[in-house]
Amino acid sequence: SQTIHQWPATLVQPVGSPLSLECTVEGTSNPNLYWYRQAAGRGLQLLFYSVGIGQISSEVPQNLSASRPQDRQFILSSKKLLLSDSGFYLCAWSVSGLAGDTQYFGPGTRLTVL
Amino acid sequence: AQSVAQPEDQVNVAEGNPLTVKCTYSVSGNPYLFWYVQYPNRGLQFLLKYITGDNLVKGSYGFEAEFNKSQTSFHLKKPSALVSDSALYFCAVRDKGTGGFKTIFGAGTRLFVKA
Repeated sequence: SQTIHQWPATLVQPVGSPLSLECTVEGTSNPNLYWYRQAAGRGLQLLFYSVGIGQISSEVPQNLSASRPQDRQFILSSKKLLLSDSGFYLCAWSVSGLAGDTQYFGPGTRLTVL
Repeated sequence: AQSVAQPEDQVNVAEGNPLTVKCTYSVSGNPYLFWYVQYPNRGLQFLLKYITGDNLVKGSYGFEAEFNKSQTSFHLKKPSALVSDSALYFCAVRDKGTGGFKTIFGAGTRLFVKA
């Protein structure tokens, strides 16, 4: 069966510090991968998505970046965090085709920037 | 671009009563529609989807949704609500971006089920 991992679960970082959040998927090959941010327990903002190694689509220009160094690994980074980067970060995977791109989410990382 | 709208920020219902969480969509072509649920401090969980076929879709935890093309709606329903159904519910639609398929989520509706 497929599983998705995210770490860390929680993170408190000072403004201006770097960020690296990691997401890995097990039990599937060539998944589509997604990073979302959720503010204040409400709507999801799609940040990045990837259909393959090294292929990254950015939805919202900001001080975040994403990389996909391996087929089942997706990393969200920042060189300098802003207060507005605080939120709940969710990684998800899907497989295109008959499943209609049903998305399966990780447990999330709660980031607080102070 | 495809979009979904959830007109209610919050829905309150008594345990044992039927519940409905509303969603309307705007798409070009045939829609791929989804419902997801989120419990506090957790990731989203898939509930059900409509791709094609029967307009009434049954999903997890006794939930179902009805695809209505004339009203462009995909409302989530359950005949008898449980306190444990209290959560944040998201309607979503598949969209095609420049880099492949992606999912567009509604703003979410918070469901409170009172005992």
